[in-house]
Amino acid sequence: DSGVTQTPKHLITATGQRVTLRCSPRSGDLSVYWYQQSLDQGLQFLIQYYNGEERAKGNILERFSAQQFPDLHSELNLSSLELGDSALYFCASSVDPNQPQHFGDGTRLSIL
Amino acid sequence: AQSVTQLDSQVPVFEEAPVELRCNYSSSVSVYLFWYVQYPNQGLQLLLKYLSGSTLVKGINGFEAEFNKSQTSFHLRKPSVHISDTAEYFCAVSDWGTSGSRLTFGEGTQLTVNP
Repeated sequence: DSGVTQTPKHLITATGQRVTLRCSPRSGDLSVYWYQQSLDQGLQFLIQYYNGEERAKGNILERFSAQQFPDLHSELNLSSLELGDSALYFCASSVDPNQPQHFGDGTRLSIL
Repeated sequence: AQSVTQLDSQVPVFEEAPVELRCNYSSSVSVYLFWYVQYPNQGLQLLLKYLSGSTLVKGINGFEAEFNKSQTSFHLRKPSVHISDTAEYFCAVSDWGTSGSRLTFGEGTQLTVNP
């Protein structure tokens, strides 16, 4: 158990819909990262937050947004969903940006 | 920009045999290197990391890796594998710059240990 909690584990929805993925980092970790894992693109970095502020942005679509709240949990919002958004979405956390990242078990998103 | 290449997409081996999973990276700055393992329907678990110091790094489950700066490689090795080592292995690099510390992953190597 990495200590990083992601909910829900599975999500099935339709095209055009909006979903919110939630992540609770390990106790004491200030930095949160989101990654997308798909068969065609592999593991891709989406976005990083540190203590509530956006720190780095990767290949994140404009339809996607994220935030980190004062209690340090984070949410990834995906809107206007397309079939190609079907993937496994991972959250990771670290004490600070200079420490290794620990991953949650992911949320599997299926778009029908 | 940085990138990671895992040279083998699939590696089948017999139980108790040695194994090497190959990883090459490219980066214009100093990097930090990691190997993660992903078991079916699970998240990524950190196997080992190279931050600085000794180029031979030991991790969990009997794995080790050697950082070779001149060859820009970070190959993962285990002298004797078990059935339970069957999983997907990912090599990753981070530059840990002030702009963030994203991980760039390779495409993964599926290790299958056969009895």
